[in-house]
Amino acid sequence: SAVISQKPSRDICQRGTSLTIQCQVDSQVTMMFWYRQQPGQSLTLIATANQGSEATYESGFVIDKFPISRPNLTFSTLTVSNMSPEDSSIYLCSVDRPESSGYTFGSGTRLTVV
Amino acid sequence: QKEVEQDPGPLSVPEGAIVSLNCTYSNSAFQYFMWYRQYSRKGPELLMYTYSSGNKEDGRFTAQVDKSSKYISLFIRDSQPSDSATYLCAMSYNDYKLSFGAGTTVTVRA
Repeated sequence: SAVISQKPSRDICQRGTSLTIQCQVDSQVTMMFWYRQQPGQSLTLIATANQGSEATYESGFVIDKFPISRPNLTFSTLTVSNMSPEDSSIYLCSVDRPESSGYTFGSGTRLTVV
Repeated sequence: QKEVEQDPGPLSVPEGAIVSLNCTYSNSAFQYFMWYRQYSRKGPELLMYTYSSGNKEDGRFTAQVDKSSKYISLFIRDSQPSDSATYLCAMSYNDYKLSFGAGTTVTVRA
């Protein structure tokens, strides 16, 4: 299955700043997904990123807050903009598994906003 | 009402016991059902995938789906300390947008 490298693994950021999270896959994939995992809550899909088109955002998430880039079939970034303590969470990227059903996840970025 | 409700736990069982994990859902359009295992500070790892009612076995793991009752379960037989993790149910109606349960943390005591 695909191997995903996600960076950084964790960060502590000041409120009002932005953080860009990188997701690198070792094989070409059509769709990449960005999730948020808040403590004690379900993983929530933020957006779907397809190469060559604008990302598709889920209800409650907007491009100005979570801009996404997808420059090629193996790489994507998610930026968390103008951060507040409420953005403290784990952010995960995910890709589909062409060899079987289901999805592969990166190890996540643990973000703390102070 | 959340689309997917998962028994919150946590669960603590002795080594060798059977672990039973459960989720209910409200959206009858869901047709793909998954269980993920997540170790601390790691991403979720796919354990089981099924799209039909009934049971599916893979080693010590059995996934059970009852679409008429909108209920899915995961059973872990002969549990080991290495099974200690958070287990997440997930489901989808179009095989790409997943709806997750909140997870159940399991501890298997040696």
